Amino acid sequence: AQKVTQAQTEISVVEKEDVTLDCVYETRDTTYYLFWYKQPPSGELVFLIRRNSFDEQNEISGRYSWNFQKSTSSFNFTITASQVVDSAVYFCALSGVNAGNMLTFGGGTRLMVKP
Amino acid sequence: GAVVSQHPSWVICKSGTSVKIECRSLDFQATTMFWYRQFPKQSLMLMATSNEGSKATYEQGVEKDKFLINHASLTLSTLTVTSAHPEDSSFYICSASTLLASYEQYFGPGTRLTVT
Repeated sequence: AQKVTQAQTEISVVEKEDVTLDCVYETRDTTYYLFWYKQPPSGELVFLIRRNSFDEQNEISGRYSWNFQKSTSSFNFTITASQVVDSAVYFCALSGVNAGNMLTFGGGTRLMVKP
Repeated sequence: GAVVSQHPSWVICKSGTSVKIECRSLDFQATTMFWYRQFPKQSLMLMATSNEGSKATYEQGVEKDKFLINHASLTLSTLTVTSAHPEDSSFYICSASTLLASYEQYFGPGTRLTVT
């Protein structure tokens, strides 16, 4: 069975602060994919990143960065110098090859960035 | 590329009526489509998976006679909520994947259903 845990249900920061969203996963698959999505108030899911289980390199994209550590089964997401437009719900998700590529979502973290 | 549309974006219907939601892959052939339901302040929960030309596979606890899914072509899947009740009010999101990149799901913008 697959499981994704986002322990932080809500985070509130002031603009320009850095913030890290945690994601811990469980899977029996050796080949799997991890994702982060952003869901703004409009509801549409915005794809942010996909990582496969064989690539543990950290990734940076502008103010966004991701830290993938297989040893701790974590795939954390950091926003540097947060902005009000970053306010949204962020979901971490897992898709395992032997789980039929079913996408399992974490509970989501609601990020509120205050001006 | 990889655009998925949903129609309607929102719908209000009366209790006891049925409502159909369409999910279309606009620029690719979707071998598999997924339907999710999201209640306010909750995560996405998979309702069912459908492959083109086959019957949908429903997740445990999802009534297949209530939520009818049809995936008649490689670009269209429909979800029909039959005899809708207020508790069916939710945000319904579809996604689609291809045979070559089955690990990737492309999401539609969602349909907000309100049953009065």
